[in-house]
Amino acid sequence: QEQLVDSGGSVVQPGRSLRLSCVASGFTFSRFPMYWVRQAPGKRLEYVAIISHDGATKYYPDSVKGRFTISRDDSRNTLSLQMDSLRSEDTGVYYCARDAVPYGGNWYFDLWGRGTVVTVSS
Amino acid sequence: EILLTQSPGTLSLSPGERGTVSCRASDELGPTFIAWYQQKAGQAPRLLIYGASSRAAGIPDRFSGSGSGTDFTLTIDRLEPEDSAMYYCQQYGRAPLTFGGGTKVEI
Repeated sequence: QEQLVDSGGSVVQPGRSLRLSCVASGFTFSRFPMYWVRQAPGKRLEYVAIISHDGATKYYPDSVKGRFTISRDDSRNTLSLQMDSLRSEDTGVYYCARDAVPYGGNWYFDLWGRGTVVTVSS
Repeated sequence: EILLTQSPGTLSLSPGERGTVSCRASDELGPTFIAWYQQKAGQAPRLLIYGASSRAAGIPDRFSGSGSGTDFTLTIDRLEPEDSAMYYCQQYGRAPLTFGGGTKVEI
């Protein structure tokens, strides 16, 4: 069964760091571009990071550029998101998600994790 | 950035009826760069439709998508109680990819 299990969410103070993880199973992880998508309370879904299947290409929206870093370890089927200099507006549920097409950057998602909650508050 | 506006915000219907959710883009997207997701409370989103009208694997044919340009529609025929959920559209034709604000469907 194909599955993504995301974890690492916590309550953290503004300015601090947090690292999220997503473990994939049931499919060949190395073939797929992967994403982090978040949803702040009462707001719409927002992508926060994209990494190509080979890890060579990464994209971030302006809201997190320079603060968040996406990475992958194909030997451990793990996707990570390092979040630095956290702000209150980074509060939300963070989901890892898989591109629907192997190797392609189609930018829509056919498998999602259940989400991990990040709360940035003093 | 493409803004996606979904309507209505909430759709309350009875079992067996047809539900229609609209997604309007702030600029032209072309015919195919829209996906639709269903999200039930406490669960991960599930891909329903991609390419505006193609059903994802395992999705019943009660779910259909249509539209092009700036106006897209998700239609759910013969509504069932388990269709109660939030529904989101997403565009992937122009960077950055963006999502609609969601429609709550109550059965």
